[in-house]
Amino acid sequence: KAGVTQTPRYLIKTRGQQVTLSCSPISGHRSVSWYQQTPGQGLQFLFEYFSETQRNKGNFPGRFSGRQFSNSRSEMNVSTLELGDSALYLCASSLVGDTYNEQFFGPGTRLTVL
Amino acid sequence: KNEVEQSPQNLTAQEGEFITINCSYSVGISALHWLQQHPGGGIVSLFMLSSGKKKHGRLIATINIQEKHSSLHITASHPRDSAVYICASVYNFNKFYFGSGTKLNVKP
Repeated sequence: KAGVTQTPRYLIKTRGQQVTLSCSPISGHRSVSWYQQTPGQGLQFLFEYFSETQRNKGNFPGRFSGRQFSNSRSEMNVSTLELGDSALYLCASSLVGDTYNEQFFGPGTRLTVL
Repeated sequence: KNEVEQSPQNLTAQEGEFITINCSYSVGISALHWLQQHPGGGIVSLFMLSSGKKKHGRLIATINIQEKHSSLHITASHPRDSAVYICASVYNFNKFYFGSGTKLNVKP
């Protein structure tokens, strides 16, 4: 069974641009979560989607948004990029998104904002 | 506000040593996860605990719900155990709060 895949793996953007990152969960998994990892703040929860619905959201500005498609693939979008958005963005999938489901992480997308 | 505290932040051990990493959380949780992150960023879920103790190979994780504390133990440590270990408390629908991580370096 293929693992969680994220595209692209690396991305360089300039301030003010917008970016879309993609996450394909493990086949059969319906919950997708997104996380941001920076050296200063560590890992932080962005949002979680289940069956195309956002069920939970972390403390990030509205420039960060996401969506989930009917095939469970998910995208996150960051508009009006700032230097501080440079980070590793990770997504993780789980079977039904129950608290007790194991999460499987993708390799991440490393975003650099210049 | 960081609701999950991990210690130590850095740990250097000699191969074969017994290692303990501690994690404390401030509010009631649904479950606690231990994650391992290798250089390059890949994260692997090691354990998910809601009570008691779990063991997988040389790794043991325990949780004390009353004391809001969890520990990860590595017996007979090996250089391949070198990684960052992260604990995370989880609430409804996979809302995670992460500790800052413990960077472990096991020397041969």
